[in-house]
Amino acid sequence: AQKITQTQPGMFVQEKEAVTLDCTYDTSDQSYGLFWYKQPSSGEMIFLIYQGSYDEQNATEGRYSLNFQKARKSANLVISASQLGDSAMYFCAMRDWNSGYSTLTFGKGTMLLVSP
Amino acid sequence: DSGVTQTPKHLITATGQRVTLRCSPRSGDLSVYWYQQSLDQGLQFLIQYYNGEERAKGNILERFSAQQFPDLHSELNLSSLELGDSALYFCASSPAQGAVGNTIYFGEGSWLTVV
Repeated sequence: AQKITQTQPGMFVQEKEAVTLDCTYDTSDQSYGLFWYKQPSSGEMIFLIYQGSYDEQNATEGRYSLNFQKARKSANLVISASQLGDSAMYFCAMRDWNSGYSTLTFGKGTMLLVSP
Repeated sequence: DSGVTQTPKHLITATGQRVTLRCSPRSGDLSVYWYQQSLDQGLQFLIQYYNGEERAKGNILERFSAQQFPDLHSELNLSSLELGDSALYFCASSPAQGAVGNTIYFGEGSWLTVV
């Protein structure tokens, strides 16, 4: 079974609007970490935000927030006030005990296009 | 800028050849990871080193090898290259060996094209 599922291959949003990118995960561990990365067309992988499984509050980093619903095993990324520069591929990833916390397991990504 | 430095940024080589990708982790980070990103396989974990020692292995082919040196920089060696090895290779680093909250920071990647 896929550990990280991103069901939206592509999303369109207008500038200044908010957008939610979906991510569901599968783990039997109690302790795990969830991450979102952004990959623009230049190829670099940019860390955006982290949520720990024991964190009681949803993580926020500037315009990025993570809507963490533990019981539903979802960790959706919310981007507020979208900008043209937000157009990129977005990856959800997880680190858990099964992987020995050694690495990240990535979803297949969601391509976000922001239009003027 | 993540602080992880990878060289070269682009590389074109012929089938059967061998290449070496180099990575300098962020200052103070002891763990180095290598990932491969291809269109068909997505992002795949290859291998992790911590303070010079191999710590975890993923989907790394036998033709590939890596090492981490005393100054903590790492090299990924790819040999007997095939067309299917064409991909974006990422190096990443984190402070510790493995902790759920340690963020893994990625370099800009090395684009390898095998012709």
